[in-house]
This record gives sequence, C-alpha cells and structure tokens, in this order.
Amino acid sequence: QSVLTQPPSASGTPGQRVTISCSGSSSNIGGNTVNWYQQLPGTAPKLLIYNNNQRPSGVPDRFSGSKSDTSASLAISGLQSEDEADYYCTAWDDSLNGYVFGTGTKVTVL
Amino acid sequence: QITLKESGPTLVKPTQTLTLTCTFSGFSLTTSGVGVGWIRQPPGKALEWLALIYSDDDKRYSSSLKSRLTITKDTSKNQVALTMISMDPVDTATYYCAHFSGGRRFDPWGQGTLVTVSS
Repeated sequence: QSVLTQPPSASGTPGQRVTISCSGSSSNIGGNTVNWYQQLPGTAPKLLIYNNNQRPSGVPDRFSGSKSDTSASLAISGLQSEDEADYYCTAWDDSLNGYVFGTGTKVTVL
Repeated sequence: QITLKESGPTLVKPTQTLTLTCTFSGFSLTTSGVGVGWIRQPPGKALEWLALIYSDDDKRYSSSLKSRLTITKDTSKNQVALTMISMDPVDTATYYCAHFSGGRRFDPWGQGTLVTVSS
C-alpha cells in the first residue's frame, strides 16, 4: 500500500514546466529526506533526486526537488520528450520502520 | 560500478514458495551502512517496497507482508535472497533488487524479473 500520495498524471508541451506533488505525513516526509525516481517505459527505476533536492551525477539540472513540512515536489523545467515516464517519490517511514513509495505520476509530453 | 541482477523462477503456482536471488558486484555487503533491498511492481501499478537487509544483518520488512517474507545474505557469494511464502496471483509482479546506501536511497537497481503466479 502507498503511504505517499501523488497525482496520477501530469502533462505539458515541450519547453514547459511541470510540477509533481508528493503528500505524506510527519512519520515519513516530515522527518526524513525525500528521493525521487524516474521510470522510463519498460525499464527499472532510476534515482533522479536524493536528499530532497540533490541530483546524482548525470541528471540534468532541468530536474529539481523541494520539500516543505510533510510534502515534497519535483519540478521538470524545459520539458522534453524523453522526460515522458513515471515518477515516484519515496521516503523512510519511522512509524512503519520501513521504506514507502508514492502512488506514482505519469508524465506525458503533449 | 555497482550492478545487481535478479534471478529465480518466472512462474510459480498459488500456495507455493518463491525464492529470488540478487547477485551483485561493485560493493561489499560487509561495508557498514550498506544494504540491499527488494521492491516489486505489479503490471501497470506502483512500486512497493518489500524488504531490506543491512551489512550488520539488520533486517526490515514491509509491515503488510512481514509474515510472508524472509531476507538473507551470503556475503561470500555477493548474494541476497528473498523468500515469499503462500504465493497468490496478486503477487504477480516484476521484482527488483537494489543497492541501499547510507543516504537511505535505492541506487542503482537491477533490471528486474517478472514472476507470474498462476496454476
């Protein structure tokens, strides 16, 4: 079961900015860092953002993350066709003593 | 370079036990703070975390599946195994293993293995 809530879908035209929200609680996002994963069609998830707003080497700076209280957001600026994928937020949950994933957001480039 | 690869049966019958193995390279599961986790994804659905084992043999399980899961490691073989009992068709999914670092993040992931539960 998903503890972190994301919108099912988001879309934009090439060049636009798209934002994905991730809503949690004090036991997960509120007390721990948030990571974001990108899953391209038919592939394994890839780490996109870690520690709320850090990008691993090789991830374009078009991707940015932020966190406030019990919510987090992923922004994609200058949307490109190759950004069409599913995106998941994640965090450790102190109450469940385990890792929780978001419900996932499918990004479509129109 | 860290790599992981899942292996195991592609088809299991309902009520049977599933055992998957994750074989990895590029890191040691004796290094403090390092772990390997399992995550699954039913077709067309979201990711679901299953289990995690740390280098000190500390183990964590999904609260909803805890009674059915066992995770173990063999550091000499660079392998981590996940056993799930009482398999049901709803357990049909792609199962991934992933390297878990001290920053509490899964990176990288294996390619995944699709397990179908059907009679």
